[in-house]
Amino acid sequence: EPEVTQTPSHQVTQMGQEVILRCVPISNHLYFYWYRQILGQKVEFLVSFYNNEISEKSEIFDDQFSVERPDGSNFTLKIRSTKLEDSAMYFCASRETGAGTGELFFGEGSRLTVL
Amino acid sequence: RKEVEQDPGPFNVPEGATVAFNCTYSNSASQSFFWYRQDCRKEPKLLMSVYSSGNEDGRFTAQLNRASQYISLLIRDSKLSDSATYLCVVIAYNTDKLIFGTGTRLQVFP
Repeated sequence: EPEVTQTPSHQVTQMGQEVILRCVPISNHLYFYWYRQILGQKVEFLVSFYNNEISEKSEIFDDQFSVERPDGSNFTLKIRSTKLEDSAMYFCASRETGAGTGELFFGEGSRLTVL
Repeated sequence: RKEVEQDPGPFNVPEGATVAFNCTYSNSASQSFFWYRQDCRKEPKLLMSVYSSGNEDGRFTAQLNRASQYISLLIRDSKLSDSATYLCVVIAYNTDKLIFGTGTRLQVFP
C-alpha cells in the first residue's frame, strides 16, 4: 500500500536553530499539506501546497516557516529559527484529488523537540 | 466557541458494547465532514466520511445534522482494537484545510 514517508522521525534541536523536515508524498498525489500536533492538543493545519505554490496557510505559518518541493518527490518544511513552542509532532499529508473529495493520507510524523 | 467541539472522554466500554460519540461545529458554511481515528502517538487515519443522509461502514455508522451543526459516530459490537482517539474533522466551504476536534478517547476493555 502506498504511503507518505517522513524523515526524521525525531529531531532534537536548540532554540534558534534551523530545522528541515522532509516528506515523500504518495507519488500520484497532487495536493500536499503540513499539520502539527502539540502534545495533548488537537491536530492543527499549517499549510497546503498545490501546483508548486502555497494555496492556503494558517496563522501559525508565519515568516519563520517555509515549504518547498525541490524535486518531483520531496516536500519539505523549514523552520528558520526554532522556538520552544515549535515543539510538536509535524505531520505531512497528501491527497490525490481536490478539497473535500479525496482521502487525506498522513505520514507517521516527525517529532520536533526544541530545547 | 471552538470550531469543532468534542467530549474528550475517555469512554471506557466493555467488548461488545455500543458507544456513540458526538461532535458540534461552529461554521455553518462547512462543506465536508469526516471521522478520523488516531492511535496513541500515531498519525490520523480516515475512518469514514459523513454524508447528510447518514452512512454505515460495517459496525460504524455516521450521521450529520446540518441544521444543528452536529455529527455523530456510532460503534456497535466494540472490539479491543477499536481503542483509540476518534477525531471529528470538518472542511469549511471554499477551503482545503481540515479542522480537527480535540478527539474523543475510547478504551474498550475485555
